[in-house]
Amino acid sequence: DVKVTQSSRYLVKRTGEKVFLECVQDMDHENMFWYRQDPGLGLRLIYFSYDVKMKEKGDIPEGYSVSREKKERFSLILESASTNQTSMYLCASTLMRSGSHGYTFGSGTRLTVV
Amino acid sequence: GQQLNQSPQSMFIQEGEDVSMNCTSSSIFNTWLWYKQDPGEGPVLLIALYKAGELTSNGRLTAQFGITRKDSFLNISASIPSDVGIYFCAGRTPFAGNNRKLIWGLGTSLAVNP
Repeated sequence: DVKVTQSSRYLVKRTGEKVFLECVQDMDHENMFWYRQDPGLGLRLIYFSYDVKMKEKGDIPEGYSVSREKKERFSLILESASTNQTSMYLCASTLMRSGSHGYTFGSGTRLTVV
Repeated sequence: GQQLNQSPQSMFIQEGEDVSMNCTSSSIFNTWLWYKQDPGEGPVLLIALYKAGELTSNGRLTAQFGITRKDSFLNISASIPSDVGIYFCAGRTPFAGNNRKLIWGLGTSLAVNP
């Protein structure tokens, strides 16, 4: 069964900390995505990557960066965590470049910044 | 970023009732996807639609790609308690080109009273 694995289900970090959220997929997918999900705002795209070392900004990239050193791993980095980054973070991947066959999502990381 | 109009925002129904929800867009789409998110988990793909007028079923779920290509519908028949969750629509326009991003609705939150 194909899987997208996010390293932590729950995280609590302090304001100003550097935070790494890790995502690994075992499907040899080229395309990987990071979303955040907040009540009433749906899924908002932070960053995505179509290939190793490639990255593109999504709709809300401010305060975030990403790293894709290996095809299977896509990391989201909060350079200096702030309380408004408290959210559910979802990683996804897809094989088709168009994404038209749908994304496979991880279980999510619920991050609380205090 | 662009979002789809998904309605209703939330529903509270009795077990055994049928459920209908829909998504509309101001522009035409060439792909419609329906996802379900269980509490505390990532979204899971339920149904994918690729042609105007297409009607596809997955168990008690039925989804349709609207003839105008600007809308899609999801119906759940004879609801059960495990249908509880958030249902998202997502899609792509034919004008996306190399843009691999999906456009998302804000979700319909479904609660089922046993």
